[in-house]
Amino acid sequence: QVQLVESGGGVVQPGGSLRLSCAASGFTFSSYGMHWVRQAPGKGLEWVAMIYLDGISIYYTDSVKGRFTISRDNSKNTLYLQMNSLSPEDTAVYYCARDYRSGWTNYFDYWGQGALVTVSS
Amino acid sequence: EVVMTQSPATLSVSPGERATLSCRASQTVGSNYLAWYQQKPGQAPRLLMYDAFTRATGIPARFSGSGSGTEFTLSISSLQSEDFAVYYCQQYFNWPITFGQGTRLEIK
Repeated sequence: QVQLVESGGGVVQPGGSLRLSCAASGFTFSSYGMHWVRQAPGKGLEWVAMIYLDGISIYYTDSVKGRFTISRDNSKNTLYLQMNSLSPEDTAVYYCARDYRSGWTNYFDYWGQGALVTVSS
Repeated sequence: EVVMTQSPATLSVSPGERATLSCRASQTVGSNYLAWYQQKPGQAPRLLMYDAFTRATGIPARFSGSGSGTEFTLSISSLQSEDFAVYYCQQYFNWPITFGQGTRLEIK
């Protein structure tokens, strides 16, 4: 069965860095676009970034451009999100999510359980 | 960016009745580049609809979607206890992908 398992969340000081990982299993990871979506405590969903199956086409929401980097290692079936220059506004549960079909759909059928990132001094 | 506005913020409906949720885009999202998700407390979102009116795998027929351009609707006929949750619309016509702020569907 399809599984997405995030890791790497935690508490970090403002200005700090953190790297999230999302380990994928149960499907051909290299055939799917992958995304990061976050949810601040008690708030709605915010799409963060997307990486196409080839790792070349990449998109970000404006608020994280220049600070966050999405990447993938298809040999390890793993998605990453490197987060730098973190601010309290980045505090959220970060979900990795899979495109609904192989290729590129930009809507998501499988989600991880989420990794909590707390930015606080 | 395309701003998605959902209404109402909270909808109170009795079990067995019909619920209608609205989603408006600040600009066209094409004919149907619109998805709907359901989220329950402590859980990840669940894809309900895509392309505005296509049910995702395993979604019951009591869920239906309609609309195009800037106005979309999610309808749930004969509400079941498990349907009470928060619902989000999402456009994927333009970058960045954007979500609505959510509609909380609660038991009346």
